[in-house]
Order: sequence, then structure tokens, then C-alpha cells
Amino acid sequence: AQSVAQPEDQVNVAEGNPLTVKCTYSVSGNPYLFWYVQYPNRGLQFLLKYITGDNLVKGSYGFEAEFNKSQTSFHLKKPSALVSDSALYFCAVRHPSGGSYIPTFGRGTSLIVHP
Amino acid sequence: GAVVSQHPSWVICKSGTSVKIECRSLDFQATTMFWYRQFPKQSLMLMATSNEGSKATYEQGVEKDKFLINHASLTLSTLTVTSAHPEDSSFYICSARANRTSGFWARWKNIQYFGAGTRLSVL
Repeated sequence: AQSVAQPEDQVNVAEGNPLTVKCTYSVSGNPYLFWYVQYPNRGLQFLLKYITGDNLVKGSYGFEAEFNKSQTSFHLKKPSALVSDSALYFCAVRHPSGGSYIPTFGRGTSLIVHP
Repeated sequence: GAVVSQHPSWVICKSGTSVKIECRSLDFQATTMFWYRQFPKQSLMLMATSNEGSKATYEQGVEKDKFLINHASLTLSTLTVTSAHPEDSSFYICSARANRTSGFWARWKNIQYFGAGTRLSVL
């Protein structure tokens, strides 16, 4: 079984400050990890993924995430937040093989960046 | 990245009517497409996995006769909400995964691309 937890329903940060959106996961074997962003009344947009290789993954719009195997975490980060980053963020995990390769999504974290 | 088009973006219908939602992968072939339902301020609920040329696999608790899924080609999957009722009002999102993962397509491997969603309101 695979699962993902986003412990924070909402994250508030001032524009220009660094932001972190937390994600922890549970899966047997090496995980495939993803971050998606959803703007109001829109579908999800892919931000970045970790499959293998460097633990620090860089993605779209200046976002990055760090894979930490010992802590089973994949936190999303950005050095300087923008008001336009305000959206709903979803972390997802998937087992690398077998089955129908269906990822499990977290419940989402609402990021609010204040001017 | 790859583009998934979902249509319509918004539909209002009377109770008892059926509504069809289309999901197209515009620039890649998708062996597998997924249909999700999202309630306000909640995560995605996977409804079914749609495989081209075969019957969809429904998640537990999802009525297959209520939510008809057809995946007739590698670029098109449809979800039909039959005899819609107000409780079916929701945001429906499709996603697709590229099945070709070599060469140019390798960069899109393992990634699900999502449509913009369809807001269904049943009166």
C-alpha cells in the first residue's frame, strides 16, 4: 500500500519570504514522487518529480523539492514566494512498478502568499 | 509538457439528464486515462482508470452504470454521467499518461497530465 500525508491544510507566507510545503510518504521500495499545483477551477499542473538521482529536484516556476529517504519526506520549497504562487498544492507518490501505476495524492495544502 | 484538453469546462443540466465529458490528449498517445472527482477544498478522488480498447476499472464505491467511461482511441476518453442528480454536482478532472517513453517522449515518462476540469451543476 502507498500513502502520502500533507500535514498542513494551509500555509501562510509573506511575499519575498521562503516557503515550504510539507509532504511525507509511505511506499514499499523506492518511491516515485510528484508535486502538482492547482489554481482555482483548474486542473492540476505538474511542477516536478523525483524518480532517481539527485535528492534535490528543480521544477517549474522556481520551485524545488528535496527527497529525504530517511525521513520519507519530499517537501516543496521556494526561496522567495510570489503572490501568484497562491494556490492548492498536491503531493503524490507512486510505487515504481506493478499494478496500474496509479499514484496516490495527498489531501492538498493551500498556500497563501500575502503581499 | 504534454497537453490534455477537457471539454466542456462548465455544464449545467436538469436532474435526470445525461452529461458527457470529453478528455483528449492533444500531442501524445495515452494508453491510460484517469477520471477524478474533486469536492470543494478536498483532494482528488479517483473514480476509474480507463484503458484504451478495454473496460474501465472502477474504484470501490463508484457506480459503473452511473458513470460510463469509454476509451475508444489512444487520444480520447469520455465520461458520461447518466441520469444526473444534484448530488452528482462536482468538479470532474481527467488525466492522461503518455505510453511512449523513449526518445523525445522520455522526458514525459511517469508523469500524469491533467485536463482543466469540468464543473458540473445539476439543478
